[in-house]
Amino acid sequence: QVQLVQSGAEVKKPGASVKVSCKASGYTFTSYGISWVRQAPGQGLEWMGWISAYNGNTNYAQKLQGRVTMTTDTSTSTAYMELRSLRSDDTAVYYCAREGGYTATDYWGQGTLVTVSS
Amino acid sequence: EIVLTQSPGTLSLSPGERATLSCRASQSVSSSYLAWYQQKPGQAPRLLIYGASSRATGIPDRFSGSGSGTDFTLTISRLEPEDFAVYYCQQYGSSPPVTFGQGTKVEIK
Repeated sequence: QVQLVQSGAEVKKPGASVKVSCKASGYTFTSYGISWVRQAPGQGLEWMGWISAYNGNTNYAQKLQGRVTMTTDTSTSTAYMELRSLRSDDTAVYYCAREGGYTATDYWGQGTLVTVSS
Repeated sequence: EIVLTQSPGTLSLSPGERATLSCRASQSVSSSYLAWYQQKPGQAPRLLIYGASSRATGIPDRFSGSGSGTDFTLTISRLEPEDFAVYYCQQYGSSPPVTFGQGTKVEIK
């Protein structure tokens, strides 16, 4: 069965960086993309960007350009999302999800809470 | 960027009733690349509908999606207790960015 397992919760100070991992199993990793979506406390879903696990091509949300980097390691079927220069409004649950193209974002990780606080 | 507006913000219904959720786009959604997700507290979103009207794997047939262009609807024919949750629409057409609606909460009346 398809599974995406994310790394554990993080607490960071403003200005620091965080790197969240997402290990995929149950499917051919390079046949799908990975999207990252975040959700601030009590708020809706915000798309952060997407990476092709096939060739590493990326597309980032404009508001995060310059602060976010998404990568993959095909040898371990793991995707990574790094966010730099953290601010308090980056406090959120961060989700990775499999991107199925026309079949949309069909499988999601369990989420990783990132708290940014001094 | 395509803006999605969901209505109503909250829907108060009883189990067994029919729920109709609306999602309106600021411009036409490419090739009906419109999806619906359900999210319960403390859980990740769950894909219900993709391509505006196709049910995802394992989704009960009481969930149905319809619409095209700029107007889309998610219908739950008879609400079960486990259906009370927040629902989001998403457009994921060929041109990023992907965007989500702000959500509709379906609560028990």
